[in-house]
Amino acid sequence: TQLLEQSPQFLSIQEGENLTVYCNSSSVFSSLQWYRQEPGEGPVLLVTVVTGGEVKKLKRLTFQFGDARKDSSLHITAAQPGDTGLYLCAGADAGGTSYGKLTFGQGTILTVHP
Amino acid sequence: DAGVIQSPRHEVTEMGQEVTLRCKPISGHDYLFWYRQTMMRGLELLIYFNNNVPIDDSGMPEDRFSAKMPNASFSTLKIQPSEPRDSAVYFCASSLVRGGGYTFGSGTRLTVV
Repeated sequence: TQLLEQSPQFLSIQEGENLTVYCNSSSVFSSLQWYRQEPGEGPVLLVTVVTGGEVKKLKRLTFQFGDARKDSSLHITAAQPGDTGLYLCAGADAGGTSYGKLTFGQGTILTVHP
Repeated sequence: DAGVIQSPRHEVTEMGQEVTLRCKPISGHDYLFWYRQTMMRGLELLIYFNNNVPIDDSGMPEDRFSAKMPNASFSTLKIQPSEPRDSAVYFCASSLVRGGGYTFGSGTRLTVV
């Protein structure tokens, strides 16, 4: 089983601040996905990155996939209270019988205070 | 599309009882996954199906857990007998392609007392 480590585990910031969440592994992934989960609901897919070095932007969110496809980061600019939630990264296995199977990180709980 | 539909949303049962969780995936999605989420262990994959066939059940904790997918639009996860340590939120998710993005249901919060 491939492991994904997310950091930080908890992040509490003021509205308007910037933040970065990291997702690291020693394994290579065929793709990496980021999800956001709100209390009482299931995770919702934000983005999928596939190519090493790829950068995707979704409004104030910027996602990057490492060149070696082992790590990723999520950067939020000018955070808002509506960004509050649990952010999860998930890597898709790169080969073998487990190809495509997702492994989730432990998540980062983000709280943005007004 | 109504998304992935899970039922019930909440289940409280006594230790030793049988519990059945239900899931209706998105129509046309060939992959269906059952996950369990706890504070301590995060999201854990229990089992997944491709075209109604179980592919990987290595995450199923023990023989008390079983899952079926009799057709493309329905799956169940059964725990018999249930134990307090099974208390968690159970999610069903479906995916169009292997390695593609998942659509999760809203989950079933199971409490075994």
